[in-house]
Amino acid sequence: GAVVSQHPSRVICKSGTSVKIECRSLDFQATTMFWYRQFPKQSLMLMATSNEGSKATYEQGVEKDKFLINHASLTLSTLTVTSAHPEDSSFYICSGIGGPWETQYFGPGTRLLVL
Amino acid sequence: QKEVEQDPGPLSVPEGAIVSLNCTYSNSAFQYFMWYRQYSRKGPELLMYTYSSGNKEDGRFTAQVDKSSKYISLFIRDSQPSDSATYLCAMSGGGSYIPTFGRGTSLIVHP
Repeated sequence: GAVVSQHPSRVICKSGTSVKIECRSLDFQATTMFWYRQFPKQSLMLMATSNEGSKATYEQGVEKDKFLINHASLTLSTLTVTSAHPEDSSFYICSGIGGPWETQYFGPGTRLLVL
Repeated sequence: QKEVEQDPGPLSVPEGAIVSLNCTYSNSAFQYFMWYRQYSRKGPELLMYTYSSGNKEDGRFTAQVDKSSKYISLFIRDSQPSDSATYLCAMSGGGSYIPTFGRGTSLIVHP
């Protein structure tokens, strides 16, 4: 139980384009989902907390107009990187709270490369 | 001082060794402690979840929490090459369910 999927698993895009990443909880309902970014050999950095039906809460230093989050249902949250630049290249991971211990279960991650 | 300190390693051990991974923390409000395993280019996978102090065992894995010392450990017995991964500790509490992660320890188990 508590399986989270992400799509796509990797994406390469040109600078200036927008990229949408989907995060789905497959066997549980997640009223809250989280979006993280991870640079090579670094820990997870929380970007924002996504709540179903309401606006996301962004961590300090994360531009909400650049990283658009939509949590339209209890099983789907999307992260759109708008006007992507090479410095946005990273590993983006989502998670949802579920399972027997009501703790975080992570998706497999999306590797974004902006050329 | 970071809230959660974790030595990034790498920690290299021979197959069959007992591995000890550790984290220290400064926030005494933390009550929930987790260990995640992350393979390269994959999302973290929850390994162990403990509440408050004490030990918890699951197969070859044992998690220990010492709240008085603000120190948590993950022991891996009979380590295998397939255990080679980055292990992240995480903890939460004090009214927040959002965990704070350590930076992860890279473990290499060589045959």
